[in-house]
Amino acid sequence: AQSVAQPEDQVNVAEGNPLTVKCTYSVSGNPYLFWYVQYPNRGLQFLLKYITGDNLVKGSYGFEAEFNKSQTSFHLKKPSALVSDSALYFCAVRGYSSASKIIFGSGTRLSIRP
Amino acid sequence: NAGVTQTPKFQVLKTGQSMTLQCAQDMNHEYMSWYRQDPGMGLRLIHYSVGAGITDQGEVPNGYNVSRSTTEDFPLRLLSAAPSQTSVYFCASSLTGTGEGELFFGEGSRLTVL
Repeated sequence: AQSVAQPEDQVNVAEGNPLTVKCTYSVSGNPYLFWYVQYPNRGLQFLLKYITGDNLVKGSYGFEAEFNKSQTSFHLKKPSALVSDSALYFCAVRGYSSASKIIFGSGTRLSIRP
Repeated sequence: NAGVTQTPKFQVLKTGQSMTLQCAQDMNHEYMSWYRQDPGMGLRLIHYSVGAGITDQGEVPNGYNVSRSTTEDFPLRLLSAAPSQTSVYFCASSLTGTGEGELFFGEGSRLTVL
């Protein structure tokens, strides 16, 4: 069965510092991995995805994520945080042969202090 | 181009009442799905569909029914509402039912069951 773990409920970072939001996954076969962001009282917005190829994936708003197959991780990163990055972040996985289910983690609240 | 449209945005029900949450997309997406979002639980998949006439269960299908008679619409029915179904519901779609397509989300429907 597929599963996604986001071990941190909240991450606090000072503006201008690098940030990392952690995600690990479990799936049979090769995964498709996604990051989404949710602002208050809104639906989720797509940030980036890993399908195949380069392990470092670049996405919207300066975010990137690194796929690590041996550690089954897909951590979200940004070199320099902005206050406007404060939001709820979700990691999601879809297995290559999983009959189309996309499973989400529990979410990590990112708080950037000025 | 409206994307994914959910109605109603807010609804209050009494225990035992029935209702339907509507979802429509105008992007000719094959794949549609319903999630519920609860604090600390992330998004949990209720039901999904890979095309008109095809539906399948997600992680938490009990108490919910769906149908997919057209490509555009994917309504979610609560036949006998329970307080445990108090949640925020999101409809999401993607171009295809397999692999790499990212999800496009509606703005959500907040349901309270008294």
